[in-house]
Amino acid sequence: GENVEQHPSTLSVQEGDSAVIKCTYSDSASNYFPWYKQELGKRPQLIIDIRSNVGEKKDQRIAVTLNKTAKHFSLHITETQPEDSAVYFCAAIPDTGNQFYFGTGTSLTVIP
Amino acid sequence: GAGVSQSPSNKVTEKGKDVELRCDPISGHTALYWYRQSLGQGLEFLIYFQGNSAPDKSGLPSDRFSAERTGGSVSTLTIQRTQQEDSAVYLCASSLWAGDNEQFFGPGTRLTVL
Repeated sequence: GENVEQHPSTLSVQEGDSAVIKCTYSDSASNYFPWYKQELGKRPQLIIDIRSNVGEKKDQRIAVTLNKTAKHFSLHITETQPEDSAVYFCAAIPDTGNQFYFGTGTSLTVIP
Repeated sequence: GAGVSQSPSNKVTEKGKDVELRCDPISGHTALYWYRQSLGQGLEFLIYFQGNSAPDKSGLPSDRFSAERTGGSVSTLTIQRTQQEDSAVYLCASSLWAGDNEQFFGPGTRLTVL
């Protein structure tokens, strides 16, 4: 099955700086890569996703890039704000299955 | 419209007792997923349903765990003979179909086994 690794496990940045979280996956047939944000005590919510037929997707201050050859995808948050502080999870879904394979999460802290 | 709901929100039980956790998905969502999240940990996949069928039960930790879904809607996760290591938040999610689309999560059930 698919194996998703996520780095770093914790990340602290100054407000206004950028944050980058990287995930690697093992199954070259994976074709859908969502990112979820989980604030403390809250439920995970989708913030952005990308499919294997595109290399980059942006939504205001967040972007995701996908490198199919290297089998990795990254979340980029620019101009970070304190409300970006949360745990971020990446996931990959193989073309042959329906289960989300989640990474282990990155705890992002934005320091005011 | 209403989101995914779960009940109870909190459950405290004694070791050895059985518990049932309930999930009400978003109306019209055919896929339903169960996850377990231990304190400060990631999302551990347990099982998913497409309609009333569970094609993938590979994540269930032991035979003490079972789940069912009826009428393509409500799902129940049952844990028999609970152990202290079962203590965690149990999250349910639903999506329009199983696979490459957004999962909407419920608020979770916090289970504490004493």
